[in-house]
Amino acid sequence: GAVVSQHPSWVICKSGTSVKIECRSLDFQATTMFWYRQFPKQSLMLMATSNEGSKATYEQGVEKDKFLINHASLTLSTLTVTSAHPEDSSFYICSAREGQGAPYEQYFGPGTRLTVT
Amino acid sequence: AQSVAQPEDQVNVAEGNPLTVKCTYSVSGNPYLFWYVQYPNRGLQFLLKYITGDNLVKGSYGFEAEFNKSQTSFHLKKPSALVSDSALYFCAVRDLWSGGYQKVTFGTGTKLQVIP
Repeated sequence: GAVVSQHPSWVICKSGTSVKIECRSLDFQATTMFWYRQFPKQSLMLMATSNEGSKATYEQGVEKDKFLINHASLTLSTLTVTSAHPEDSSFYICSAREGQGAPYEQYFGPGTRLTVT
Repeated sequence: AQSVAQPEDQVNVAEGNPLTVKCTYSVSGNPYLFWYVQYPNRGLQFLLKYITGDNLVKGSYGFEAEFNKSQTSFHLKKPSALVSDSALYFCAVRDLWSGGYQKVTFGTGTKLQVIP
């Protein structure tokens, strides 16, 4: 099946710094990528949807200036958490989809654990 | 709007017994349904999906799910549970033909605990 990778798998950063998380589709071209956030013992919360070459569409309540998403190529999307604070600590999961039509399913990355100290 | 309900936060089952994890959905059009499993500190792994056709869908690791249109349900099942099946399970739905950038809506998850 299709593989989506994320890097790093975990990161610790100091409050006020920025951290970048990469999401790559390894064996398919992802026209659409999704970024989710998951709090402990909770479901996935969609943060934003990005299409290659376009600006990301953010969900209500997600600060686009804080969570910068770039989808520069069909195999790479990045999420940058700017001026991170302890409340940004979470598990971030990306997902990629090959097309927009009905049969296409989403493939998920392994997640990135962010801890802001 | 679309939604998914997983009424049980946790399901406990003895090893070797059949298991069922419940899911009901609401979608305006035709549903495209999924089950995913998540192990601690890991991403989601795809188990199975339903688009059209046979109401009983077979997936990975011996899991299957039954689509019931009248009850708007898509319960996950396995005939004989293994301790290694203990994990967090998510049901998800998408409107099959909504067009545009379709979003998948996830349920809140059900923790499955298989007791040796």
